[in-house]
Parts: sequence; structure tokens; C-alpha cells
Amino acid sequence: NAGVTQTPKFQVLKTGQSMTLQCAQDMNHNSMYWYRQDPGMGLRLIYYSASEGTTDKGEVPNGYNVSRLNKREFSLRLESAAPSQTSVYFCASSGRTGGAYEQYFGPGTRLTVT
Amino acid sequence: AQKITQTQPGMFVQEKEAVTLDCTYDTSDPSYGLFWYKQPSSGEMIFLIYQGSYDQQNATEGRYSLNFQKARKSANLVISASQLGDSAMYFCAMREEDSSYKLIFGSGTRLLVRP
Repeated sequence: NAGVTQTPKFQVLKTGQSMTLQCAQDMNHNSMYWYRQDPGMGLRLIYYSASEGTTDKGEVPNGYNVSRLNKREFSLRLESAAPSQTSVYFCASSGRTGGAYEQYFGPGTRLTVT
Repeated sequence: AQKITQTQPGMFVQEKEAVTLDCTYDTSDPSYGLFWYKQPSSGEMIFLIYQGSYDQQNATEGRYSLNFQKARKSANLVISASQLGDSAMYFCAMREEDSSYKLIFGSGTRLLVRP
């Protein structure tokens, strides 16, 4: 099992460019999440999908859109990147794999916007 | 609104000693879960331990235990017999028990284990 995978691992964008971060999980989890982590801070929830076909805003959704493509895949799109979106982005999933329904995280995408 | 507070930005501990990382939380929901995650310098998030709000006993996982004091709304992580590999950021997180299972994270504590 690969768990949660994310692509790309690193990305540099210019202000105004767009990109999509990809996330996939192979644990048959219903719920998936996107977080951002800024230096010296905890993770903040951007968007989540409690189940296939649903998405909801988290704490910091502005400037982002998401798509729950199917049960496995949950993508995050930056339509017009801004320097304030420089961060590390984590995708996570949650489901019956863990008894506590803990979240399993991908390795992260380090994004720099210049 | 939910809130998680970690008041220790950084901590030192001597190898083989025990250390307690503090976490307090605020919620009006009677049903919730508390988590600790470890983030080593490599960046990945590693689940350590979970405590449910209705659990009668403190959770333990190997060298990790969670000191859960419900009335004080605290969920401190205790690491016994610290090892050099325990040097990392540690995050406390809380989940209200709705169908989304989403987490709210604290700002973290950086632990450095001295040889």
C-alpha cells in the first residue's frame, strides 16, 4: 500500500500562474483533506471532502478550489497564485483503517510563489 | 469555536529522561477526539496517539502516553525514556465527532533531545 501520495513534491510558480496539486489514497477512505503549513505554524485546513461527491470549505479556503474526482483522488487548484500561498501543502485521508479514524498524511508539496 | 493551544514553542530534554508536552483545548461539543502527531525534520506527519472524550483511561502507545484531564481541558503528551530520534515538532489536534473527521491543530512544540 502506498498510503497517501501527492504530486508534485516541489513547485515554483510566478505570481498569477495556476496549478493543480494532486492527491490519491489507496486505503478506501471516505474522507480527504487539504492543509497548508506555514513556517513555525500548525496545519490549517483549506478544504475537505467528507465523502465522494461532497466538498466543504475549511479555515482558509480563499484562493483555492478543490475537486473530489472519485473516492481515491482529491485535487487542489490554485487559479492565480499569490506569494501569500507560499507554503507546504499536505493532503490527508481518514477512514476505517485506523480505529480512531486518524488521518493519514501524504509527504507534502513545497510550493513557492515568486 | 474549537481551539487548541500549545504554549511551549520549544523544549529540551536529556536522552533517556521523560518529557511532557502541554496541550489545552476548548470545545463546547461533549464528544470529541484528541490526537498527537510527530513531524520530524523530513516533514512527514506521523500519528502517535489518540484519546476519545469518553475514554475512561489515559491512552498509551509504547513510550507515548496521553495525560487526559477532562475537567481542565488538557491533553498532555508524555514521552518516556526519550531517544535522539524523538527530536521533532509535535502537534496536538482535536476533532469534533461529526461525519467529516476534520482536525484542528495547535501551533506545535519543537522538542530537542540532548545526548
